[in-house]
Amino acid sequence: DSGVTQTPKHLITATGQRVTLRCSPRSGDLSVYWYQQSLDQGLQFLIQYYNGEERAKGNILERFSAQQFPDLHSELNLSSLELGDSALYFCASSVASGDFSDTQYFGPGTRLTVL
Amino acid sequence: DQQVKQNSPSLSVQEGRISILNCDYTNSMFDYFLWYKKYPAEGPTFLISISSIKDKNEDGRFTVFLNKSAKHLSLHIVPSQPGDSAVYFCAATVSGAGSYQLTFGKGTKLSVIP
Repeated sequence: DSGVTQTPKHLITATGQRVTLRCSPRSGDLSVYWYQQSLDQGLQFLIQYYNGEERAKGNILERFSAQQFPDLHSELNLSSLELGDSALYFCASSVASGDFSDTQYFGPGTRLTVL
Repeated sequence: DQQVKQNSPSLSVQEGRISILNCDYTNSMFDYFLWYKKYPAEGPTFLISISSIKDKNEDGRFTVFLNKSAKHLSLHIVPSQPGDSAVYFCAATVSGAGSYQLTFGKGTKLSVIP
């Protein structure tokens, strides 16, 4: 158990809908990262938040957005869903001490299926 | 454009033998490399890492080798155990960039045969 929790575990929805994925980082971790893993793909970095502020953006679609709340949990919002958005979405957290050996700990993921 | 490549989608090894998983990268800015292991229905778990100032890092049965000139790294598992059967992801990052976002390869599925 990495200490990172993600809810829900599974989500099935229809095209055009909007969903929210939730992540609670490990206690004491300030940084939250979101990754997407599509079929046969490696994990693709989407976005990072550090202590409530956006730190870095990767290949995140404009239909997707995220935020990190004062209690440090994070939500990833996916809107106008398309079939191609079906994927595993992972959240990771780290202390973000500034040391490049800062390890990212991953949650179990949310499997999103868009029908 | 894939910056981190794991060209072998799968690998089968006998229990007790050495498993060697390979990874190539194209971005010369990468200076920190990691290996993650992933079991089905779980998130990736950090295994071992190496900084570009080193060419080898060892942790128990796991050793990572880095060849910067060839932009190649490998993970050696000796001896391999059935519990090592999982998907292994190679990842890389640029330190000092303000974010430690990881760039992952597509993974290699290791099967250790008893």
